[in-house]
Amino acid sequence: KAGVTQTPRYLIKTRGQQVTLSCSPISGHRSVSWYQQTPGQGLQFLFEYFSETQRNKGNFPGRFSGRQFSNSRSEMNVSTLELGDSALYLCASSSDTGRSTGELFFGEGSRLTVL
Amino acid sequence: KNQVEQSPQSLIILEGKNCTLQCNYTVSPFSNLRWYKQDTGRGPVSLTIMTFSENTKSNGRYTATLDADTKQSSLHITASQLSDSASYICVVSEGGTYKYIFGTGTRLKVLA
Repeated sequence: KAGVTQTPRYLIKTRGQQVTLSCSPISGHRSVSWYQQTPGQGLQFLFEYFSETQRNKGNFPGRFSGRQFSNSRSEMNVSTLELGDSALYLCASSSDTGRSTGELFFGEGSRLTVL
Repeated sequence: KNQVEQSPQSLIILEGKNCTLQCNYTVSPFSNLRWYKQDTGRGPVSLTIMTFSENTKSNGRYTATLDADTKQSSLHITASQLSDSASYICVVSEGGTYKYIFGTGTRLKVLA
């Protein structure tokens, strides 16, 4: 069974640009969540999608957005990039049917560098 | 405010030794607590998940304990190996909201 796939693995952008990251969950998983990881802050929750609906959202500005498609694949977008957006962005999928007890399976992440 | 605090921040031990990592949380209502291992530059991998009624759960040389009354958890690593060098992250799920609150992790280094 294939794991969670994130693309691209590495990317470099400049301030003011926008970026789109992609996440393909494990087959059959309908929950996809996104996280930002920086050395100082650890893992911070961005948002979670379940069956194409945003079910939960963290405390990030509106420049961070996401969506989920009917095949459960998800994308997140960051507009007007700032230097502080440089981070490892992780995606996780779960077979959770709605009780937050499903195991989270993480992808390898997309490392974004903003210059 | 729901928080998860881990200690120590970092730890260095010799190969073959045991160690214990701590996790204290203030998350309420509580759903479950998970421990993850994250190798440098990789995504976290689940070690254990415990619900309110579970006190202990093992996964090979990793044993997690949970005291729901004091809101404390520990991860005990037995007979450490070089491959145990990683960050260990404690995650608590908030009941009914699908939210996950992450600790900042303990960075473990195992030396030969």
